[in-house]
Amino acid sequence: QLQLQESGPGLVKPSETLSLTCTVSGGSISSSSYYWGWIRQPPGKGLEWIGSIYYSGSTYYNPSLKSRVTISVDTSKNQFSLKLSSVTAADTAVYYCARHRIVGATSLDYWGQGTLVTVSS
Amino acid sequence: DIQMTQSPSSLSASVGDRVTITCQASQDISNYLNWYQQKPGKAPKLLIYDASNLETGVPSRFSGSGSGTDFTFTISSLQPEDIATYYCQQYDNLLTFGPGTKVDIK
Repeated sequence: QLQLQESGPGLVKPSETLSLTCTVSGGSISSSSYYWGWIRQPPGKGLEWIGSIYYSGSTYYNPSLKSRVTISVDTSKNQFSLKLSSVTAADTAVYYCARHRIVGATSLDYWGQGTLVTVSS
Repeated sequence: DIQMTQSPSSLSASVGDRVTITCQASQDISNYLNWYQQKPGKAPKLLIYDASNLETGVPSRFSGSGSGTDFTFTISSLQPEDIATYYCQQYDNLLTFGPGTKVDIK
């Protein structure tokens, strides 16, 4: 059974960089059928896709966040990571990682449990 | 950018009722639309892909239809465990979610 698990600091100071890692178990991140994505959800609000990465390193990002986002992949560790720079209180959210299926039907079909990141001094 | 709207934003219905949620895209997205269910404190779960296809293991009381700009999600007989927020999501151009529809029991 595929599992995804987010990890990283739960508290980040304003203007600093938020860094999270998603560890994939029960399957290979190097599969040709999937991208791997990050999605966030501010408290009490809706879902926002941040960006996705292929095992080769190919990425695409939400234009509204593109200037501050970097997603990378480490196939040797079966992990992918998110960096969001110059954070403000508006970046406080639950951050989810997910498998981004691209063959058959493009969808986010497996999700991590999510991790709350609070931006505060 | 493709914008997604949903209506209603919330609804209350009785157990056994038929529940319908609509989703509208700001431009033609063919059938490139998915529906997700999110229960409180949990990650979203994929229910419907490509507008009308039921994800494996999802109960058949859930269904979806539509193409172009207008889409519908239906629960044929609402169950207590269906209390959740439902989101549509387009993938014609990047990924965008609708604002969500909160469903609870009357």
